[in-house]
Amino acid sequence: GDSVTQTEGQVALSEEDFLTIHCNYSASGYPALFWYVQYPGEGPQFLFRASRDKEKGSSRGFEATYNKETTSFHLQKASVQESDSAVYYCALGVNVGDNSKLIWGLGTSLVVNP
Amino acid sequence: EAAVTQSPRNKVAVTGGKVTLSCNQTNNHNNMYWYRQDTGHGLRLIHYSYGAGSTEKGDIPDGYKASRPSQENFSLILELATPSQTSVYFCASGDVDRGYAEQFFGPGTRLTVL
Repeated sequence: GDSVTQTEGQVALSEEDFLTIHCNYSASGYPALFWYVQYPGEGPQFLFRASRDKEKGSSRGFEATYNKETTSFHLQKASVQESDSAVYYCALGVNVGDNSKLIWGLGTSLVVNP
Repeated sequence: EAAVTQSPRNKVAVTGGKVTLSCNQTNNHNNMYWYRQDTGHGLRLIHYSYGAGSTEKGDIPDGYKASRPSQENFSLILELATPSQTSVYFCASGDVDRGYAEQFFGPGTRLTVL
């Protein structure tokens, strides 16, 4: 079945470090891929999405490129800040008839130290 | 501003008691979702709805019922609460967009079953 794998459970960085959080998916066709961010005490927030091969999604300095060949959608940011500390979720959009639902990765906790 | 609200924000219940979690959205979205979030499991889909009067089982529906009396409101009902249902519950809404639609989340309800 459709699935999303996030390799890292937790990532610890210092401010201004380069961030990569890995996301791989398993699904047929060209599903939409999403990144969400969840700050402590809040619900997840949509970060961005991509829906076709080689498309780049981006928001707030974060970006990811849809790669059909490697079935990946890795999240990157060039220079992280302490305020980026949060849990990041990769998700896959699947059709259910004329509607949809999301298949979620387990999340990656990012801790950025000052 | 469009929003998803949940009530209560915190709830302590006794084993065997009935618990109702409420969700209201002003996004005018057809789709609504209930998730639970637990360490090590990420977000898991309990029930969802494609419109008023409809409910569908998600990935972990056992022990839960759902009710969608109107476009705006979606409730999650635990008829006989158990300690294993202690968790943080999130409601979300989303548009009908065949797998491409983002979901908008509420702030969550922390439920403790003693």
